[in-house]
Amino acid sequence: NAGVMQNPRHLVRRRGQEARLRCSPMKGHSHVYWYRQLPEEGLKFMVYLQKENIIDESGMPKERFSAEFPKEGPSILRIQQVVRGDSAAYFCASSQGISNQPQHFGDGTRLSIL
Amino acid sequence: AQKITQTQPGMFVQEKEAVTLDCTYDTSDPSYGLFWYKQPSSGEMIFLIYQGSYDQQNATEGRYSLNFQKARKSANLVISASQLGDSAMYFCAMREVNTGNQFYFGTGTSLTVIP
Repeated sequence: NAGVMQNPRHLVRRRGQEARLRCSPMKGHSHVYWYRQLPEEGLKFMVYLQKENIIDESGMPKERFSAEFPKEGPSILRIQQVVRGDSAAYFCASSQGISNQPQHFGDGTRLSIL
Repeated sequence: AQKITQTQPGMFVQEKEAVTLDCTYDTSDPSYGLFWYKQPSSGEMIFLIYQGSYDQQNATEGRYSLNFQKARKSANLVISASQLGDSAMYFCAMREVNTGNQFYFGTGTSLTVIP
């Protein structure tokens, strides 16, 4: 049962390092969304991508954060020069491009910055 | 303006009772979808129920039903016969059809079921 696969589940980085979070959407899904969730808070939209295109990145911090969804391979959320405030759970979701279809979520990556 | 508003940060319900979680939305798109998700303490996001803006009847999925009041722009989730396993965060979300398939999430309601 190939749902949305995120890896790693847990990632520990020191301040200043780079973090790479991967997301493979469900089979047949061409839309990928990334969200950040701080403890005890809701989901904050970051970026919405389709294959090789960024559709909406209005929730992405202007610096250090980037995302891609290449023609082949998983979607990548990249955080450069991580800081303590980047510690959070990062969720990826995918959907079909059909309005009545929900997003299906991965289990998230818990990023901890030392 | 917030696209999705959930005004109840926390709710308590007695086991076997019904509970309603509130959600209001804001859109000018005549075509949209409304979704509810559950996030237990283990962290995963679980899709529960969907309601389309043109659906005439309220959606139901097992013990979950959606009280859709279009004129009021509300889409409340009703959980009947609450179980201990229903204790979780619940998020309401909306997708606007004509504005690029973006999803908007509310801030969530934490539900605790009391034995």
